[in-house]
Amino acid sequence: TQLLEQSPQFLSIQEGENLTVYCNSSSVFSSLQWYRQEPGEGPVLLVTVVTGGEVKKLKRLTFQFGDARKDSSLHITAAQPGDTGLYLCAAARGSARQLTFGSGTQLTVLP
Amino acid sequence: GAGVSQSPSNKVTEKGKDVELRCDPISGHTALYWYRQSLGQGLEFLIYFQGNSAPDKSGLPSDRFSAERTGGSVSTLTIQRTQQEDSAVYLCASSIFAGSYNEQFFGPGTRLTVL
Repeated sequence: TQLLEQSPQFLSIQEGENLTVYCNSSSVFSSLQWYRQEPGEGPVLLVTVVTGGEVKKLKRLTFQFGDARKDSSLHITAAQPGDTGLYLCAAARGSARQLTFGSGTQLTVLP
Repeated sequence: GAGVSQSPSNKVTEKGKDVELRCDPISGHTALYWYRQSLGQGLEFLIYFQGNSAPDKSGLPSDRFSAERTGGSVSTLTIQRTQQEDSAVYLCASSIFAGSYNEQFFGPGTRLTVL
């Protein structure tokens, strides 16, 4: 059983559309991170959220950490082909020094 | 550049052979992590090193897997008697120190194919 469940697993949309990706768990996390990975490269950190209910914005990307710190969402407004990639959430529990990664959402934005 | 580098980028080997994968972390980063990623999937934690502390080996899938970090810098992941299920991309990451808030900087990975 995956500690972190991401949905949807695959998402293909047209340029200009909005989308939301979800990361859910039954566990409480001390922090949660979102990464984006492009083919042939390692993941790159987008954001870290640490406070329940926290909302962070990065240009057209909005990240939210659930009030109970068990879930998170990533919303992209007016998606562009450059947003295409594998989006991964990763979380740590308590004082754990290692991250647990979700299975990822493969996003394709068509021009 | 001064990012994390990994070698080789691709490795094809025969079942039963041993392989060594290398990671050069960012200079000054005391924490180093190894992950395994199957095609289009999330990352599976394998092992991490923090300074001179004993490594956390809790993610290693079997005793065929081992890793060392020499001089607090370069790390080598060794897989003995490779099996077909070992085929995956092996990613290395480093951070200033181990902690959940710290950004992990990833290398491009080594794609391992076991025939």
